[in-house]
Amino acid sequence: DQQVKQNSPSLSVQEGRISILNCDYTNSMFDYFLWYKKYPAEGPTFLISISSIKDKNEDGRFTVFLNKSAKHLSLHIVPSQPGDSAVYFCAASALNGGATNKLIFGTGTLLAVQP
Amino acid sequence: ETGVTQSPTHLIKTRGQQVTLRCSSQSGHNTVSWYQQALGQGPQFIFQYYREEENGRGNFPPRFSGLQFPNYSSELNVNALELDDSALYLCASNSKRAGAVNEQFFGPGTRLTVL
Repeated sequence: DQQVKQNSPSLSVQEGRISILNCDYTNSMFDYFLWYKKYPAEGPTFLISISSIKDKNEDGRFTVFLNKSAKHLSLHIVPSQPGDSAVYFCAASALNGGATNKLIFGTGTLLAVQP
Repeated sequence: ETGVTQSPTHLIKTRGQQVTLRCSSQSGHNTVSWYQQALGQGPQFIFQYYREEENGRGNFPPRFSGLQFPNYSSELNVNALELDDSALYLCASNSKRAGAVNEQFFGPGTRLTVL
């Protein structure tokens, strides 16, 4: 039962353009969402997060949008740079579901930014 | 401030053997979580330790066990290894605060291969 889904295994974007990575979830108990970036041979690196009380959070070139009614979130990267090429994981957590803020991850989207 | 470190980097074992993986949490963090990432999948939550006690467990059998030490370093032990245990094992640490979800910081992982 995949509670967090990233339906696009890969995405290719030209340098300078916008990258949009999508994520869907099924569990309405999730109230906190995170995006991680992962390079080969490294652990995931935290990028940006959003609480369910917000619908947008921005940090530099990265913006995350949350649509609770659709159970959908997206990560926008503007402008995209070749160094952004990596696997991006969407993760969700249910803070009010218990003391353990375990993260439920999607399967990832491989972003390739072409120079 | 040192980040999360894991050892060893790579490990090869045979079916039926036992393995111990080690993690050193980021300075100031009192919570450690372990994740298993199979090829092509997102990380899956194994368990979490807070103040040396197990604080939540994912859908993994009892042959997966762990320890957290007073200095907040941690071990993951896997008994009776199976071929499907081949994966990247990630350790993540964070500082647990009541009523808050904290971003977890990941180590580089240990690549376990079971033959």
